[in-house]
Parts: sequence; C-alpha cells; structure tokens
Amino acid sequence: EPEVTQTPSHQVTQMGQEVILRCVPISNHLYFYWYRQILGQKVEFLVSFYNNEISEKSEIFDDQFSVERPDGSNFTLKIRSTKLEDSAMYFCASTARGGPPSTDTQYFGPGTRLTVL
Amino acid sequence: KQEVTQIPAALSVPEGENLVLNCSFTDSAIYNLQWFRQDPGKGLTSLLLIQSSQREQTSGRLNASLDKSSGRSTLYIAASQPGDSATYLCAVILYGQNFVFGPGTRLSVLP
Repeated sequence: EPEVTQTPSHQVTQMGQEVILRCVPISNHLYFYWYRQILGQKVEFLVSFYNNEISEKSEIFDDQFSVERPDGSNFTLKIRSTKLEDSAMYFCASTARGGPPSTDTQYFGPGTRLTVL
Repeated sequence: KQEVTQIPAALSVPEGENLVLNCSFTDSAIYNLQWFRQDPGKGLTSLLLIQSSQREQTSGRLNASLDKSSGRSTLYIAASQPGDSATYLCAVILYGQNFVFGPGTRLSVLP
C-alpha cells in the first residue's frame, strides 16, 4: 500500500540553526500538509499546500517557517532559525484531492522528531 | 474557535471487552470527522472518516458514529485485543480550515 515517508526520523540541531524536514507524499496525491506535536500535547496544524502554493497556514506558521515542493516528489518544511520550543514531532500528510474542505482521508507519515538544543 | 475534547483521557480494559471512546467538538458546522490511531513514537494511522452527511462508519471491529447537532462522535471497539493498545485521536475539519485534533484517549488492553 502506498505510504507517506519522512526523513530523517530524528534530527538534533543547535538553537539558531536551520533545519529542513523532508517528506515524500503518496505519488498521485495533490494536497500536502505539515503538522506538529509537541511532546504530550495535541497534534497541531501548521500549513497546507496545493498547486505549488500555500493554501492555509496557522498562527504557528510564522516567518521562520517555509514550505517547498522542489521537485515532483518531495515536500519540505524549513525552519530558518530554530528555537527550543520548536522541539516536536513533525508530521507530513497528503490527500488525493480536495484541500479544505476535504472529503478525502489524510494519510500521515511516521514523523520526524526534531530536538533543538 | 473550534475545540475538541476526548473522554476518557486514558482507559485500561481486559482483553475481550467492548469499549467506547468519546469525542466532543464545540462547533457543529464540521465538514468531516476522522478517527486516528497513534502508536508510541509513531505517526497517525487513519481508522475511519465520517463525512458530515453520514451518521456512522464501520471497519471491522470498529464503528464510529457522528451526531453533529450535539457535537459528539463515538468510536466503538468490539472485542478488544492487546494489539488495540494505542492512543486514539479524533479530528474535525471545518469548511475552509484544516484539522483540529483532540488530545486523544490512551487505551491499554490487558491480556
């Protein structure tokens, strides 16, 4: 069964450094999402992306964050200058169609655990 | 602002029991609701998606119901097994927005 993959599984970085988290959505999917989950807290929406542009973003997704689909398969989340509070699990997801509102199931990747020291 | 809550926060049951997990949301104008399973340190696995026009969905031993007017959804797990042990999350989506997740119910099924 097709699945969303994410790399790396765990990233450790120093505060102030830039990180890029990578995702490969399911190949025929058109809508892509990033979520984060701080340890012990709820999963939170960050951003949705369709047709090479951001569809929606949350208050969390400030100027320190950016997303890109650099080629036909990868979808990346960049944090320009990491802060301690960026430490979290970051999940990528994709749907075949629909963006919000969507009648499609979102398929999630296994996540990247980001640790900022 | 949409708020999603889940009760109970944690549940421990012996194997074989039928159980019900509850999800409540404050804004009834949802577009769909999705139940997920999350294993420790892992991603989210979609279990069931209920569109706003539907009242329930079934998959194997799982049955999810939706009552939009009362702002509630329940996930029913029949004949629970130790492999069902995980955190169960519900998430709602409003028109024009993305998912709002609940905090989850942590389920332990004891052999």
